[in-house]
Amino acid sequence: DVKVTQSSRYLVKRTGEKVFLECVQDMDHENMFWYRQDPGLGLRLIYFSYDVKMKEKGDIPEGYSVSREKKERFSLILESASTNQTSMYLCASRSGFNYGYTFGSGTRLTVV
Amino acid sequence: GQNIDQPTEMTATEGAIVQINCTYQTSGFNGLFWYQQHAGEAPTFLSYNVLDGLEEKGRFSSFLSRSKGYSYLLLKELQMKDSASYLCAGMDSNYQLIWGAGTKLIIKP
Repeated sequence: DVKVTQSSRYLVKRTGEKVFLECVQDMDHENMFWYRQDPGLGLRLIYFSYDVKMKEKGDIPEGYSVSREKKERFSLILESASTNQTSMYLCASRSGFNYGYTFGSGTRLTVV
Repeated sequence: GQNIDQPTEMTATEGAIVQINCTYQTSGFNGLFWYQQHAGEAPTFLSYNVLDGLEEKGRFSSFLSRSKGYSYLLLKELQMKDSASYLCAGMDSNYQLIWGAGTKLIIKP
């Protein structure tokens, strides 16, 4: 069964901490994405990557960075966590442009 | 601008049929996706339409009209497990998905 695995289901971090969210896919997918999901706002794209070492800003990149050193792994970094970054974070991947996304199970991050 | 509109919430009865509508405005168009998301879980793929018409998959069907910028998801013989949010997403000319806020479907016995 193909999978997108996010390292943590729940995280609680303090304001100002550097936070790493890890995502690994085992489907040899080229494209990977990081979203955050908040009630009433739908999915908002933070960053995406179409290839190793490549990254592009999405709609809300401020306060975040990403790393894609290997094809299967796409990491989201919160440089200095703030309370407005409390959210559900979803990682997704797809094999090509005309394909649907496969999502990870999500990380619910709380910043206190 | 780009926009996806769908109702915030709908209620239906077990065993009945429900239609969830979605209107879209995207820069270019490369297809329309529907996803199901149970509370606290990740979205899962339901359907993809790129041509006009109805696609049927068991109890679920999805319809697309490109000229009207309109799609719907039809769920038949509703079961309690169908209680979930249903997300509509349009793919734009850059092959990016533009997401609606989701429709929360409540099924009553």
